[in-house]
Amino acid sequence: AGVAQSPRYKIIEKRQSVAFWCNPISGHATLYWYQQILGQGPKLLIQFQNNGVVDDSQLPKDRFSAERLKGVDSTLKIQPAKLEDSAVYLCASSLIRGKGTGELFFGEGSRLTVL
Amino acid sequence: DAKTTQPPSMDCAEGRAANLPCNHSTISGNEYVYWYRQIHSQGPQYIIHGLKNNETNEMASLIITEDRKSSTLILPHATLRDTAVYYCIVKAGTASKLTFGTGTRLQVTL
Repeated sequence: AGVAQSPRYKIIEKRQSVAFWCNPISGHATLYWYQQILGQGPKLLIQFQNNGVVDDSQLPKDRFSAERLKGVDSTLKIQPAKLEDSAVYLCASSLIRGKGTGELFFGEGSRLTVL
Repeated sequence: DAKTTQPPSMDCAEGRAANLPCNHSTISGNEYVYWYRQIHSQGPQYIIHGLKNNETNEMASLIITEDRKSSTLILPHATLRDTAVYYCIVKAGTASKLTFGTGTRLQVTL
């Protein structure tokens, strides 16, 4: 089984809140959330190693939050949403940082539209 | 991590080899070249990576120049299903983060 994400699609109005869920590949200690705006490459928002944050330097912390409480699945929340948050939110996982080929396995993404 | 430069788009006839170039003139000695692709409405997919030797797997071949300032991803017999955006990424080993540019949009045609 690959990386599971839900929901696949979400439409909300600005100032509302939204949450996305990700379940990584079993045994993968590292989990990533990327934001992909139409026409651009994915941008890393946050990286977890088990349940600890490794890198959240590009996460807009005034409105975005993410957690991975038990070191397995993760939730990304946006509150309140802005029009510019319209994007695909991609979750990825990999073996423990520094091991293996460094290959990331991506889910199919959650497409958010903010009206 | 070093920056990369790729052409925005390329075309290739089905059955022919697709050669996708990437420039990474500021690459450091400990940085690897990774290639990913993203088919429409899907997440990116790992293709191949290398340090300085040429690499081949079931999907593609990676040719890295001797000075490591550029590389070429080769899809030996492109099919319509290879139509995607291809990203060339340079990063310092498995521990550093994957930073995507805008990639090359490859269109494979009949």
